[in-house]
Amino acid sequence: EPEVTQTPSHQVTQMGQEVILRCVPISNHLYFYWYRQILGQKVEFLVSFYNNEISEKSEIFDDQFSVERPDGSNFTLKIRSTKLEDSAMYFCASSPDRATDTQYFGPGTRLTVL
Amino acid sequence: QKEVEQDPGPLSVPEGAIVSLNCTYSNSAFQYFMWYRQYSRKGPELLMYTYSSGNKEDGRFTAQVDKSSKYISLFIRDSQPSDSATYLCAIVTGNQFYFGTGTSLTVIP
Repeated sequence: EPEVTQTPSHQVTQMGQEVILRCVPISNHLYFYWYRQILGQKVEFLVSFYNNEISEKSEIFDDQFSVERPDGSNFTLKIRSTKLEDSAMYFCASSPDRATDTQYFGPGTRLTVL
Repeated sequence: QKEVEQDPGPLSVPEGAIVSLNCTYSNSAFQYFMWYRQYSRKGPELLMYTYSSGNKEDGRFTAQVDKSSKYISLFIRDSQPSDSATYLCAIVTGNQFYFGTGTSLTVIP
């Protein structure tokens, strides 16, 4: 069964550094998403991406964040100048259509900012 | 007011019990209502979704939506230890998802 994959599974970085979290969505999907889950808190929507551009973003997704689909398979989340409070699980998801019953989540990348 | 409110639990029930999980929401414009299950250290996994008031059944799971009260529920019949997980409601408008905080469920054998 096709699945969303994410790398790395755990990323440790120093405060102020830039990190890139990588996702490979399911190959025939058209919509891509990033979510964040701070330990013990709820899953928070960050951004959705379609047709090589951001379709929606939350207030969390400020200038510190950017997303890119650099090739036909990868979908990346870049976090510039990381802060301690950026430590969280970051989930990528993809779906063939908007808001359907087929949004598939990856296993997540745990980001730890020291 | 938060977009979605969910009792975080934890909830502990004996095997075979009926479990009721609930969320309330504030925005009547919300269009889709979903329930996800999240095991420890894993991404959320979609269980059910609906977009209209009423009940939707899938095996041991029933999703219920009451748009007039802005209230959604997930019922699990004949609960199993493998149902032990965190259950997240998610409500969608446009292309943006709003998740509840999740309810931690433990089913005791």
